[in-house]
Amino acid sequence: DGGITQSPKYLFRKEGQNVTLSCEQNLNHDAMYWYRQDPGQGLRLIYYSQIVNDFQKGDIAEGYSVSREKKESFPLTVTSAQKNPTAFYLCASNPGHSTDTQYFGPGTRLTVL
Amino acid sequence: RKEVEQDPGPFNVPEGATVAFNCTYSNSASQSFFWYRQDCRKEPKLLMSVYSSGNEDGRFTAQLNRASQYISLLIRDSKLSDSATYLCVVNPRSSNTGKLIFGQGTTLQVKP
Repeated sequence: DGGITQSPKYLFRKEGQNVTLSCEQNLNHDAMYWYRQDPGQGLRLIYYSQIVNDFQKGDIAEGYSVSREKKESFPLTVTSAQKNPTAFYLCASNPGHSTDTQYFGPGTRLTVL
Repeated sequence: RKEVEQDPGPFNVPEGATVAFNCTYSNSASQSFFWYRQDCRKEPKLLMSVYSSGNEDGRFTAQLNRASQYISLLIRDSKLSDSATYLCVVNPRSSNTGKLIFGQGTTLQVKP
């Protein structure tokens, strides 16, 4: 079964703690993306990676970090420096080359208490 | 001005109605356009790509108007299951990164 998986589905953390969100894909896609969605707002790009061992900041990268050590994995760490981390986090991937279409994982809903 | 703008709605329509959403984009160089559907508390899913010539998929029709910089989505014979938020998505082609710009979405509620 090909697809994108994100875990956990729901995550609760205390303020001041770092937390890492998992994103895995077995679609052999080159590019992967992390977005944040807040109620009533569009998706905002946090980080993206077009190839293994390379990634770029998106529009709202402050307080977040990523790594891309394997093609299939693109974990996102929400650090204590992120001022308002409670949100719905979505990971997406794209085959690259001739298509722009992005395919999304089921998301992780992070609540910081 | 936002790069991609949509009327957030909600659009409340009876079953069987025809409803249309518009979305405007600011970058005239934009090349790729999409409509995604997002159900409550779920991930967005691709509904259809939008081509210059327009395209149709069953009850759904998407149109692109480059001169006025907008895209539209028409839904005919609305079903209860069409209730969702519809996201307008644009690739501004400002660089070769595959970055997409998402509108905030238009919410559709189809009533019995």
